[in-house]
Amino acid sequence: KNQVEQSPQSLIILEGKNCTLQCNYTVSPFSNLRWYKQDTGRGPVSLTIMTFSENTKSNGRYTATLDADTKQSSLHITASQLSDSASYICVVSSYQAGTALIFGKGTTLSVSS
Amino acid sequence: NAGVTQTPKFQVLKTGQSMTLQCAQDMNHNSMYWYRQDPGMGLRLIYYSASEGTTDKGEVPDGYNVSRLKKQNFLLGLESAAPSQTSVYFCASSYSISGGVNQPQHFGDGTRLSIL
Repeated sequence: KNQVEQSPQSLIILEGKNCTLQCNYTVSPFSNLRWYKQDTGRGPVSLTIMTFSENTKSNGRYTATLDADTKQSSLHITASQLSDSASYICVVSSYQAGTALIFGKGTTLSVSS
Repeated sequence: NAGVTQTPKFQVLKTGQSMTLQCAQDMNHNSMYWYRQDPGMGLRLIYYSASEGTTDKGEVPDGYNVSRLKKQNFLLGLESAAPSQTSVYFCASSYSISGGVNQPQHFGDGTRLSIL
């Protein structure tokens, strides 16, 4: 069964600290992996999209990594800011008919001052 | 830049009532989607439309219907609302339906629907 598991479920860090969110997937055939940020009361916004051949992709203070062999991805946030408080959703795309996007349940990050 | 606009933002219904959630996108995207998001669960696909005039069922289509008469609009209908349909509904759009194409879905800010 195609699944996307994220950990931890929630995380609290101090402003200015770094953190890493994890995503493990069992999706086949794999096409690409996406990270979205969802602020409270808003829709998800795309941060990165990585294909099979990409190991790392950055978007400002956000750096995503992908290990297609172990089917793991991480999202590293550097020098966290209060505005980073949000839910981060890992989404894996498959080469299948239809939309074939499998969503994780998300990691809720709280950045405190 | 409007992107994806959903109306209404909030709605309270009584069991058995019907209503239509509206979604409009101004990015000339071919594909549109309706998701629901419930606490502790990932986004679940209700229906999607690969292109104007076509629609297909997603993971949780029961109790819903959709309409894509115009490229920019995707409507989600609840024929007879049930408490189990209390949720936050998100509309999204993308250039292509294919999961193999590396382009993101753009989401609206959701409709918060409560069924009493």
